[in-house]
Amino acid sequence: QVQLKESGPGPVQPSETLSLTCTVSGFSLTSYGVNWVRQPPGKGLEWMGRMNYNGDTSYNSALKSRLSISRDTSKNQVFLKMNSLQTDDTGTYYCTRDGPYFDYWGQGVMVTVSS
Amino acid sequence: NIVLTQSPATLSVTPGESVSLSCRASQSISTSIHWYQQKSNESPRLLIKYASQSIAGIPSRFSGSGSGTDFTLSINRVESEDFSIYYCQQSYSSLYTFGAGTKLELK
Repeated sequence: QVQLKESGPGPVQPSETLSLTCTVSGFSLTSYGVNWVRQPPGKGLEWMGRMNYNGDTSYNSALKSRLSISRDTSKNQVFLKMNSLQTDDTGTYYCTRDGPYFDYWGQGVMVTVSS
Repeated sequence: NIVLTQSPATLSVTPGESVSLSCRASQSISTSIHWYQQKSNESPRLLIKYASQSIAGIPSRFSGSGSGTDFTLSINRVESEDFSIYYCQQSYSSLYTFGAGTKLELK
């Protein structure tokens, strides 16, 4: 069955770079895209960006200067890197399958930006 | 960017009532709107795709309508498990956006 699972480093210090991995199963990254969505504590959902099935990427305009999404199709993994982290980047980060609706979601990974 | 405005922000209802949640787009987006439910401490769940298309495994009391700029998620006879937050999302633009959400709470 389709599954996505996020993994990451845990606490991150301000100004550092966040690196997250989304490992997928049950579908091919060359057939479906993968999105990253985040949610600050107690707030709404924010679409961050997408790795398309063909390897192209799209980014939220507000994050574009800090964000990079890549993939390794042989490992069924999609990567997120975001630099210059601040405390308001704290939240839960999800990866989702692109449909272009989000029919499958990972469980999310909590990222805390704190000194 | 396409802005989605959801209203109301909070809706207080009693079980058994039927409700309508609104999502308005800043420009015409055809039927490229999708609805999600998020319960506390859970990942969101897809409820409706392309404004009105049903999703396997979602109770039939959930339905969607609308096109252009105005969209509605309807819940026929709310049940206790439906108290959660609902989000709309557009895919008309390749730069996706979400609405701010509507919280459905127990009156």
